[in-house]
Amino acid sequence: DTGVSQDPRHKITKRGQNVTFRCDPISEHNRLYWYRQTLGQGPEFLTYFQNEAQLEKSRLLSDRFSAERPKGSFSTLEIQRTEQGDSAMYLCASSLAGSGSNYGYTFGSGTRLTVV
Amino acid sequence: AQTVTQSQPEMSVQEAETVTLSCTYDTSESNYYLFWYKQPPSRQMILVIRQEAYKQQNATENRFSVNFQKAAKSFSLKISDSQLGDTAMYFCAFLYAGNMLTFGGGTRLMVKP
Repeated sequence: DTGVSQDPRHKITKRGQNVTFRCDPISEHNRLYWYRQTLGQGPEFLTYFQNEAQLEKSRLLSDRFSAERPKGSFSTLEIQRTEQGDSAMYLCASSLAGSGSNYGYTFGSGTRLTVV
Repeated sequence: AQTVTQSQPEMSVQEAETVTLSCTYDTSESNYYLFWYKQPPSRQMILVIRQEAYKQQNATENRFSVNFQKAAKSFSLKISDSQLGDTAMYFCAFLYAGNMLTFGGGTRLMVKP
């Protein structure tokens, strides 16, 4: 297992365009999390899945954001009609469910989005 | 809601010296978990050390140790024998069962040769 993989590493897009990011978690982890990190700040929770079910969404996740995990494996995060304020690092993490999550999450390298 | 505060935006230390990073948190829960994560420049976040709130003994991982003061809601990280590879952003994080990892704002640590 190579850990949590995110693709692409970098994305530059024009304002108003749609973008989609992918995350492949550690295979035996059934929880998957999305966080957003702006420069010099700590990560902020966006949403998480247990298997294919999306169990919680942050108020930060506006209507332009949607996340899926169709078969309980990889996940995608789509941002529609991007705005300059969406520029950030988008981090994916995974963990085991239940008490397994108490051991912390394993993070991917992130996708850095720049909206111009 | 839980909050995590790191009051030192930036710190520096000479190679081989010891440095302590501060973290305070606010919670009404009694059973929770605390973490320090390291994020090197342009690299992924990795777990440095973990503390269970119901354990009084401070966690230690090689050169990294914590000073956990539950009553004071304080969780500091001590790095001994600092190495150039310790240069990174360090994030303190809080986890309560059933909730999400909540991070502090981070401390940028520079280890100088």
